[in-house]
Amino acid sequence: EAGVAQSPRYKIIEKRQSVAFWCNPISGHATLYWYQQILGQGPKLLIQFQNNGVVDDSQLPKDRFSAERLKGVDSTLKIQPAKLEDSAVYLCASSDNRGQGEKLFFGSGTQLSVL
Amino acid sequence: GQQLNQSPQSMFIQEGEDVSMNCTSSSIFNTWLWYKQEPGEGPVLLIALYKAGELTSNGRLTAQFGITRKDSFLNISASIPSDVGIYFCAGPRNSGGGADGLTFGKGTHLIIQP
Repeated sequence: EAGVAQSPRYKIIEKRQSVAFWCNPISGHATLYWYQQILGQGPKLLIQFQNNGVVDDSQLPKDRFSAERLKGVDSTLKIQPAKLEDSAVYLCASSDNRGQGEKLFFGSGTQLSVL
Repeated sequence: GQQLNQSPQSMFIQEGEDVSMNCTSSSIFNTWLWYKQEPGEGPVLLIALYKAGELTSNGRLTAQFGITRKDSFLNISASIPSDVGIYFCAGPRNSGGGADGLTFGKGTHLIIQP
């Protein structure tokens, strides 16, 4: 079974530029998450989708971050404009059930450096 | 919001030694999960715990769900080089139901010296 696919693996941009990340979850997984992991920290949830609807985006900085999952499968996360503090690894995860204790499967992440 | 505190932050051990790390929470959790992250990869689930007092093993790994539901520990016996990585504890962001997703601790960085 193929895992969660993310691209690109690495991205270097200058502040105030825009960037987009792509995620393809495990086939059949209805729930998709985007996490931000700053160096030395644990992952922090940015947004959660159930199929193509947003379940929780309370921690997404909506003035610059946006995400969509139009057909309930692939998802993109965009940052516009980027700030220095956005340098982090952006992880996509998916799961096949809702409820407490659900098991998340993570992709390898996109490492973003903002200069 | 919920906070998970992991200790120690890092561990330097010799191959073959046993390892113990723990995680405490500012609030009660109904589920505890332990993940491992290797360089350049996403976290991978090791063990999930669903009941207070539960003790669960996965090979050389053993994890326990604390009786108070505010803590959990992870033990690794007879460590080997491939155990190197960062170990995260995690719990549901919303223990009262509703939106899910996980909140993570800051991790314990395990380094094995030859």
